[in-house]
Parts: sequence; C-alpha cells; structure tokens
Amino acid sequence: DAKTTQPNSMESNEEEPVHLPCNHSTISGTDYIHWYRQLPSQGPEYVIHGLTSNVNNRMASLAIAEDRKSSTLILHRATLRDAAVYYCILRDVDNTDKLIFGTGTRLQVFP
Amino acid sequence: DAGVTQSPTHLIKTRGQQVTLRCSPKSGHDTVSWYQQALGQGPQFIFQYYEEEERQRGNFPDRFSGHQFPNYSSELNVNALLLGDSALYLCASSPTWPAVDKGWELFFGEGSRLTVL
Repeated sequence: DAKTTQPNSMESNEEEPVHLPCNHSTISGTDYIHWYRQLPSQGPEYVIHGLTSNVNNRMASLAIAEDRKSSTLILHRATLRDAAVYYCILRDVDNTDKLIFGTGTRLQVFP
Repeated sequence: DAGVTQSPTHLIKTRGQQVTLRCSPKSGHDTVSWYQQALGQGPQFIFQYYEEEERQRGNFPDRFSGHQFPNYSSELNVNALLLGDSALYLCASSPTWPAVDKGWELFFGEGSRLTVL
C-alpha cells in the first residue's frame, strides 16, 4: 500500500494562510492524492483530491509537485473551525473505498 | 438529506462478549465501508460491502464480520471482544460509480465508540 508522510502537528493564527505538506515518494501513476480532515468528535470529511494538476474548491487548494512525489494542502484563510487532523491519502483509480490513513497532521489555529 | 448515521454512539462491553454496530448510508449511496480508529491513530479499513457482499477486506481477523441489507444499511459484528478492540468504529458510504472528476469522496458517520472492559 502506498504511504504518505506528514508532520505530526502545525500551528497557525486565524485568518492566515496554512500550507500543509505531504510526501508520497512511492506514488504510482494511477494513485490520486486525497485529503480528508477530522474535526474533534467527528468522522473524517473529504477536503479535496487531485491527480497531476493543481486543484481548487470552496474549502482549499491542492498544489501537486511536478514529479508528484509531494503535495501541499493550502487553506487560504484559516478559521478556528479549521482546527482538525488533516490526512493525506493515496487512492488508486480502481475506485476502491479502502483508504489508507496515516496519523495525519494536527492543525491548531489560534485566535 | 440525512448523511451517514450510526448507532449506538457509545457502548461498553466486557471481554469475550459480542457487539453489533449499525450504519445507514447517505441517501443515494449503496456501498458501505467500515473503519476502526484507535485513540490517537488514523482510521484503519476493516471491509467494504456492496450488493450485500463483502468486496474487500483489510487486515482484520475473522472475529470481525459484517452484513449489508437490501436497503443498503449495514452491520458490523465483533465476536469474542478483546481489550484492544476498544476504538471508534466509523462507517463510510459512497455511490457505486462516482465520477473521478467529481468529488469521489467517502462520507463518514460520526462513529460508534466501543469500550471493552
């Protein structure tokens, strides 16, 4: 199973941008990069995903390195509600629902 | 539109007992997966159900079994409970044929927290 490496924790101040890094040096050509986050006392929720090109949605942006061995989740203006554990996951295009979660990055946001 | 619902939210069992957890998928979804999340860890995939059959399984012993009903709801059963089975059990649902370029996300419930004493 393809694996990802993330920092254990990061901190940010409210309304500042946050860049959450992820390394996935063993990524295969059919792996998509997915990000989920888990707020306290809740199940994980989908944030964004991409294959090769950078992606934007209402929640965040995903910047993917040209060699696809790393990516960065960007929260443009952190809010207190963004405090969560963020998981970077590789998901094969065969559409399996088997997501391999690591320990993620715990993001703290200070007012 | 109700999301993924799970019951019970909390329960306490003793070693050796059996437990059944229940999950109703998001409306329009017919595929259900179960995950186990130990304290401080990321969720671990247990198995996936589609068309009332187990389609894929993670590295969990046979004590963990499941079922999917014709209305797509699902149960997770754990027999001969061990202390190490104490965890948050998460159910996730997805549609059969999501479009890779449209979301393609799993929707998770809030989980059932199992404590084994």
